[in-house]
Amino acid sequence: DTGVSQDPRHKITKRGQNVTFRCDPISEHNRLYWYRQTLGQGPEFLTYFQNEAQLEKSRLLSDRFSAERPKGSFSTLEIQRTEQGDSAMYLCASSLRGTGLGTQYFGPGTRLTVL
Amino acid sequence: AQSVTQLDSQVPVFEEAPVELRCNYSSSVSVYLFWYVQYPNQGLQLLLKYLSGSTLVKGINGFEAEFNKSQTSFHLRKPSVHISDTAEYFCAVSNPGGGADGLTFGKGTHLIIQP
Repeated sequence: DTGVSQDPRHKITKRGQNVTFRCDPISEHNRLYWYRQTLGQGPEFLTYFQNEAQLEKSRLLSDRFSAERPKGSFSTLEIQRTEQGDSAMYLCASSLRGTGLGTQYFGPGTRLTVL
Repeated sequence: AQSVTQLDSQVPVFEEAPVELRCNYSSSVSVYLFWYVQYPNQGLQLLLKYLSGSTLVKGINGFEAEFNKSQTSFHLRKPSVHISDTAEYFCAVSNPGGGADGLTFGKGTHLIIQP
């Protein structure tokens, strides 16, 4: 069990640029979640996948954000036309079953800084 | 909609003293409750969870929490803290069976252990 991995760990970009983050879940986990955490706040849910299907999207996920999980394994989160307000830690988690029955295992996060 | 309130942003405690971190939630339906810990530069790790049954839940590292439905609380306790318990602690809630699988987190409580 290598845990949930995220790449890159840090990303600095200029306002208006597009960025893409990758998450590799624990191999047998069929559920994958994305959260965003800003300084001094708890993580906020963005979206989740069961296998390759995106089943839920938060209102926080504006149309500049898109997430994919094409083969039901790794996932990518893309932010288009980044804004300074997008600066945050982006967390990925995976689980074997639904939230209550299956523990969500979190990755170390990708810290995004938009200049 | 559900929400989580962690009233204490910081809790300083002397080593080997007991500690209680407070968590209150708001929800119109039944909930699952969780405590996560985030050590510096590490991902979130599950401490314990309440799904149903006994209201006293024991977790890792000597932590326990008690679910109180009438007070809508899920406070975290440890009888004797160690310097290694210094971390950020997050309370979270989910709504089983509501079709939403993401966790709703509180803002976190920074536990500071003083020697």
